[in-house]
Amino acid sequence: DTGVSQDPRHKITKRGQNVTFRCDPISEHNRLYWYRQTLGQGPEFLTYFQNEAQLEKSRLLSDRFSAERPKGSFSTLEIQRTEQGDSAMYLCASSEVVSGNTIYFGEGSWLTVV
Amino acid sequence: QKEVEQDPGPLSVPEGAIVSLNCTYSNSAFQYFMWYRQYSRKGPELLMYTYSSGNKEDGRFTAQVDKSSKYISLFIRDSQPSDSATYLCAMSGGRDDKIIFGKGTRLHILP
Repeated sequence: DTGVSQDPRHKITKRGQNVTFRCDPISEHNRLYWYRQTLGQGPEFLTYFQNEAQLEKSRLLSDRFSAERPKGSFSTLEIQRTEQGDSAMYLCASSEVVSGNTIYFGEGSWLTVV
Repeated sequence: QKEVEQDPGPLSVPEGAIVSLNCTYSNSAFQYFMWYRQYSRKGPELLMYTYSSGNKEDGRFTAQVDKSSKYISLFIRDSQPSDSATYLCAMSGGRDDKIIFGKGTRLHILP
C-alpha cells in the first residue's frame, strides 16, 4: 500500500497528557499537511510542510501543538497538555509540488481526551 | 459569513436517482475546486478536481463550477447504496494556497 499512513488510528488519553501522532506520506510527495476534523465539520487546516520546511501554520495551532518533519519524509504532530476540546480526528495529507492542491488524505488519527 | 457554505443534510434519495450536491463560496479568488467523499470514520477521498469555471465528467460523476455565481455542484447519476457517504466540497485560490473545506453533506441512497 503506497497511500498516506497514520499512526495510531485511535488514541484515548487523559486530560493533561501529551500525545504524538505520526504520518508517513506517499513516498514521492514532498508536501505534507495536517488537518483537524470534528463531528459534523469539514477538515480544518492546521499546518503544512514542503520537504522539511514548515511553510504555514494556522492560528488554530496553539502553543500546545507542534509539528515536525525532520528529514522531509514522515511527520509528527504533538499535542501537549491535552484538553477535552482537542478531541477530534487529526488528518494527514500529502501532495507533489507540481500538483499543488491535489492532496491525498490518510485514514486519520482519532483522539479522545477524557 | 463562512468562506465556503455547504448544506449538511442529510439528503436521502432512492437508488438510481440523480443526486445534486452543491456549495457556495464568498472568496472570488478561489480558482481550484474539488469534491471529496468521506465514509464514516475514514479519511476523505478525492473524487473530482476542476480548475476555474466549466464542467468535468468522470463516470457517473459530473462537477460544475459557476464562478460568476460562486456556486459549485456535484451530480451523481444512477446513484447506488455504496454512494452513501459525506461529500465535502473544497477550494483554493492558487496551487500553493491552503485548501478550504465545506462542512460536508451527508448523503443516504435508499435501496
